[in-house]
Amino acid sequence: DAGVIQSPRHEVTEMGQEVTLRCKPISGHNSLFWYRQTMMRGLELLIYFNNNVPIDDSGMPEDRFSAKMPNASFSTLKIQPSEPRDSAVYFCASSITGTVAYEQYFGPGTRLTVT
Amino acid sequence: GNSVTQMEGPVTLSEEAFLTINCTYTATGYPSLFWYVQYPGEGLQLLLKATKADDKGSNKGFEATYRKETTSFHLEKGSVQVSDSAVYFCALIKAAGNKLTFGGGTRVLVKP
Repeated sequence: DAGVIQSPRHEVTEMGQEVTLRCKPISGHNSLFWYRQTMMRGLELLIYFNNNVPIDDSGMPEDRFSAKMPNASFSTLKIQPSEPRDSAVYFCASSITGTVAYEQYFGPGTRLTVT
Repeated sequence: GNSVTQMEGPVTLSEEAFLTINCTYTATGYPSLFWYVQYPGEGLQLLLKATKADDKGSNKGFEATYRKETTSFHLEKGSVQVSDSAVYFCALIKAAGNKLTFGGGTRVLVKP
């Protein structure tokens, strides 16, 4: 199994630019999660999808952030316009809803730097 | 609401020392409990889990026991190695939910 795949692994962009992060969950998993990790705030859940439908987006910081899951094998997290305070590592994770322990499998992350 | 509290780091140890990282939780119902590990520059990996009271999760020499009476899930390893240097996260999921609640993470540094 290839695991959760994220791209790009590193992104450096200038303030005001649009940034798109991509995620391919593990085949057969029906839940997908986007997290953000910073030194100051630790791990934060931004949004999660179940069967491609957004279930909880209460962690999305503001309207500049949007996430989509057009099909079971692909999701995007978009920031427009980006700001320096968005610099963080963004993780995607997937799981199978309905299993006993709801294990989540994390991707390697995208390190975003906004200058 | 649900919450997880774990000891703040960094924890610095010598190789072959005993490691304990305390974790306590607050949750209604019967959550499943997890320890995740994050090695430098990588994503989180599931280390071990326990789904009901008195269950013991174990993996790679690490152990943690689900203690409902003390709402705790402390992580232990009898003899750490330099390769165990990482950040460790305690987490829970409620049985009826789908969201992981993480603790703040504990950085462990093992010196040779």
